[in-house]
Amino acid sequence: GENVEQHPSTLSVQEGDSAVIKCTYSDSASNYFPWYKQELGKGPQLIIDIRSNVGEKKDQRIAVTLNKTAKHFSLHITETQPEDSAVYFCAASTGTASKLTFGTGTRLQVTL
Amino acid sequence: DVKVTQSSRYLVKRTGEKVFLECVQDMDHENMFWYRQDPGLGLRLIYFSYDVKMKEKGDIPEGYSVSREKKERFSLILESASTNQTSMYLCASSLSPSGYEQYFGPGTRLTVT
Repeated sequence: GENVEQHPSTLSVQEGDSAVIKCTYSDSASNYFPWYKQELGKGPQLIIDIRSNVGEKKDQRIAVTLNKTAKHFSLHITETQPEDSAVYFCAASTGTASKLTFGTGTRLQVTL
Repeated sequence: DVKVTQSSRYLVKRTGEKVFLECVQDMDHENMFWYRQDPGLGLRLIYFSYDVKMKEKGDIPEGYSVSREKKERFSLILESASTNQTSMYLCASSLSPSGYEQYFGPGTRLTVT
């Protein structure tokens, strides 16, 4: 089955700096790669996703890049703000009934 | 807005008890999922259902069963709770067949003593 590795497990940045979280996947059939943000006391929420026919996608301060050859994808957050502090999860899917395999999560702390 | 609700935010049960965790979604989604979340392990899929009365095992189904009698409701059952099932349980739903986005409930923190 699919295996998704995520690094780093914790990340601390100063407000205004950029943050990068990286994930690798094992199944070359995976074609959908979402990122979820989980705030304290809440369930994860989708913030951005990318499909395998696209190399990069951007939405305001967040962007995701995908390298299919190397089987890795990354989340980039620019101009970080305190409200970006949360746990971020990457995931991968081959499309079977929307089944996702999640990474182990990255706790991002944005300090003032 | 999609809403996924879970019956309890916190639950404390004794070893050997039968435990029911309920999840309800209000968007007529085909797919529903149960995950457990543990520190350092991320979200691991226990079971999922792509239609009423249909279910498939996820990555860690041992010790759990599920029930989906109505489209909007998906129940997770711990037949005989054990301490290693102490965890955060998250329910999610998604629209099939092309709707990959999963909408999560707030979670149930289950403690088995």
